[in-house]
Amino acid sequence: SAVISQKPSRDICQRGTSLTIQCQVDSQVTMMFWYRQQPGQSLTLIATANQGSEATYESGFVIDKFPISRPNLTFSTLTVSNMSPEDSSIYLCSASTNTEAFFGQGTRLTVV
Amino acid sequence: AQSVAQPEDQVNVAEGNPLTVKCTYSVSGNPYLFWYVQYPNRGLQFLLKYITGDNLVKGSYGFEAEFNKSQTSFHLKKPSALVSDSALYFCAVRDFGNAGNNRKLIWGLGTSLAVNP
Repeated sequence: SAVISQKPSRDICQRGTSLTIQCQVDSQVTMMFWYRQQPGQSLTLIATANQGSEATYESGFVIDKFPISRPNLTFSTLTVSNMSPEDSSIYLCSASTNTEAFFGQGTRLTVV
Repeated sequence: AQSVAQPEDQVNVAEGNPLTVKCTYSVSGNPYLFWYVQYPNRGLQFLLKYITGDNLVKGSYGFEAEFNKSQTSFHLKKPSALVSDSALYFCAVRDFGNAGNNRKLIWGLGTSLAVNP
């Protein structure tokens, strides 16, 4: 199994600013993903974080708004740029092996 | 197209009664199936998975699920529900057919389980 540390756990940010969320995995994993989740709702995949190359974004998400880094196999960051209240959500980091996916505790973001 | 359906937004059961949370899927190849649970204000926790082998899979906290290929279902079950089982449950599938190394999970919309004392 893998343990994922995600920080910050929550933040309140002013509109127009940016927040970077960090995700650290305690073991090397092949795939890392970033999700967004509204409370009580399902997960929406933002992008796949690729090690050493540009992330692969899902439809509706773009690099300028959600730049992602993955400098090595155990660490990734997601930046939410130029935030607006619509970006208020829970952001989840996930690390995946061939047969299982592990999740961080999430970052609860409120944009005011 | 790959998809997962959780037909019930909410399931209510009395403590001590058996519970079932339903999941059906659609994939082009062989499915890898998962159940996750999310307690209030917490991240997702892995419950169980079906990869291959025995169709009845046992997982954490006394939960189990049965893979039914003909019905393309993977319903989550527990013989005796606890109030502490109240949470949001997600079914997910990964298709290892034509997708090859694609390891993205396809998620259901979630089912809110309420166990009443």
